[in-house]
Amino acid sequence: GAGVSQSPSNKVTEKGKDVELRCDPISGHTALYWYRQSLGQGLEFLIYFQGNSAPDKSGLPSDRFSAERTGGSVSTLTIQRTQQEDSAVYLCASSLGGTDSYEQYFGPGTRLTVT
Amino acid sequence: GEDVEQSLFLSVREGDSSVINCTYTDSSSTYLYWYKQEPGAGLQLLTYIFSNMDMKQDQRLTVLLNKKDKHLSLRIADTQTGDSAIYFCAESISNSGYALNFGKGTSLLVTP
Repeated sequence: GAGVSQSPSNKVTEKGKDVELRCDPISGHTALYWYRQSLGQGLEFLIYFQGNSAPDKSGLPSDRFSAERTGGSVSTLTIQRTQQEDSAVYLCASSLGGTDSYEQYFGPGTRLTVT
Repeated sequence: GEDVEQSLFLSVREGDSSVINCTYTDSSSTYLYWYKQEPGAGLQLLTYIFSNMDMKQDQRLTVLLNKKDKHLSLRIADTQTGDSAIYFCAESISNSGYALNFGKGTSLLVTP
């Protein structure tokens, strides 16, 4: 079946602009995660959604980062007033959810470059 | 979170066994994982082990877990050039729905 999809695959933006990154999880997966992968910091957890519950935002690096998940499916990660240190690959993952969340499947990522 | 530690680089000859080591941080992690990332590709879940197990074998892959020392290892038998990739160790973060805390990755180079 279809895996996790993300769009766009690449995004170049100017410093100070806002960007939106989209994630479509695997159908039927109720848990959704955002991570980012950068040369300096490696892979970092950002935010976690489980169904319609309030998200776990404990990994968000600043208040410029926010995410929402509409209808328990598609998620959008928004970065406001982008900075050069935001340049990274943003990865989305999904899992069945609840006690079956232990297998996460990752999308191909969105490579964000802030110039 | 705290750092999951892995060696950065490993080189082996084709046909040999590879062993990638990891030290994790959270003794209450329920699951521990190995992910593989090939150049230009996404993260692929290779295998995982439940924290109450000592060993898990899956074809050419053997995972060993030492909870006392918080040490995890991945052994790849009969390593092939197609196994060249970056291997990430990860622990599940307590109270965050199995969100993952990753190591920096071990780059495995398999030479003919």
